[in-house]
Amino acid sequence: SAVISQKPSRDICQRGTSLTIQCQVDSQVTMMFWYRQQPGQSLTLIATANQGSEATYESGFVIDKFPISRPNLTFSTLTVSNMSPEDSSIYLCSVSASTDTQYFGPGTRLTVL
Amino acid sequence: AQKVTQAQTEISVVEKEDVTLDCVYETRDTTYYLFWYKQPPSGELVFLIRRNSFDEQNEISGRYSWNFQKSTSSFNFTITASQVVDSAVYFCALSESSPPLGGGSNYKLTFGKGTLLTVNP
Repeated sequence: SAVISQKPSRDICQRGTSLTIQCQVDSQVTMMFWYRQQPGQSLTLIATANQGSEATYESGFVIDKFPISRPNLTFSTLTVSNMSPEDSSIYLCSVSASTDTQYFGPGTRLTVL
Repeated sequence: AQKVTQAQTEISVVEKEDVTLDCVYETRDTTYYLFWYKQPPSGELVFLIRRNSFDEQNEISGRYSWNFQKSTSSFNFTITASQVVDSAVYFCALSESSPPLGGGSNYKLTFGKGTLLTVNP
């Protein structure tokens, strides 16, 4: 399976600021996804990062709040904008070679004060 | 709409006991995929198994086994002779081949709420 890294691994941010999370894969993948895991909760898909076009957002998530970039087949970023304490979560990227299994990165633990 | 239910929120066993984690799913698709992931305290999500809807054979991998039954829409996971290192949150997940009616991505993973397994020495 692919080796996936995320930066930063954790951060503590002030409300009203923005944080950009990077996801890097060591091989080209077809699909990249961004998930959120709120404290003690399950994972929820935020969006699918599409290479060369706008991301596909799930219900309840909007581009202004969670802008996503995917400039190539090995890299994507997720920005959490204008943060509030409710955004405190683990953010995980996942990758898939096709319609196959999704493998997850180590996650970014975000705390918003 | 797709849905995954893990009715067991927490399970606590003593080492060497067998334990079964339940997973029930709902889907409108005839082609879909079921998964189990493990999330240890470190937080990383570890893939355990993938099963497609046309393959109902049970699978065994070491101490792990999975029982897929379409008739009851269940995909249960059994750990035999549990060990302390098995302590983690286990998630069952479902992905469909068709895009959701309300928009969004197909092949996205819909997760259950997870089962916290604690194996005591």
